[in-house]
Amino acid sequence: KNEVEQSPQNLTAQEGEFITINCSYSVGISALHWLQQHPGGGIVSLFMLSSGKKKHGRLIATINIQEKHSSLHITASHPRDSAVYICAGREGAGSYQLTFGKGTKLSVIP
Amino acid sequence: DGGITQSPKYLFRKEGQNVTLSCEQNLNHDAMYWYRQDPGQGLRLIYYSQIVNDFQKGDIAEGYSVSREKKESFPLTVTSAQKNPTAFYLCASRGFSYNEQFFGPGTRLTVL
Repeated sequence: KNEVEQSPQNLTAQEGEFITINCSYSVGISALHWLQQHPGGGIVSLFMLSSGKKKHGRLIATINIQEKHSSLHITASHPRDSAVYICAGREGAGSYQLTFGKGTKLSVIP
Repeated sequence: DGGITQSPKYLFRKEGQNVTLSCEQNLNHDAMYWYRQDPGQGLRLIYYSQIVNDFQKGDIAEGYSVSREKKESFPLTVTSAQKNPTAFYLCASRGFSYNEQFFGPGTRLTVL
């Protein structure tokens, strides 16, 4: 059974800090999704990665296939970044099933 | 606007009653999913459907049932057989050959 582990579970940062959330995954996962869940519960997809690095605004996601590890970075963090960030692993070609991590709750304090 | 709607946002039911959660999408997506989210746990797959009139059990299907009579709709029934139904339920959909799932706003079910 595929597994996805996130760390830390909770993270508090001061506004402006650089933030890193980590995700490790098991053999059998070929791509990683990063999702953002706001306090109301709705989930938004941020990135999908199978190799390398992607950037969108202040968000950067990287993946190291050999080490089965992905990171989500937030530069110049802002209170509106406060949310739960979830990584989810997708199985190999032809499968669209996702295995979800437990999430990292981020609080950015002004 | 295209998207996924789930209604209601909050739902309360008495123990022993069946309850149906609504999920509708106008994205013309083929695949639809139901997930359950509990505090401190990752999302878990209840049921999914890749085409109309076909659906598959996920990891925690016991006590739940679904139907897929229309492409746009994938209702989930939480039956009285579900031992611990209080949770946050999320519906998602995915277009054919797309890797990304789009999520609805969720329904928080509380069984009293």
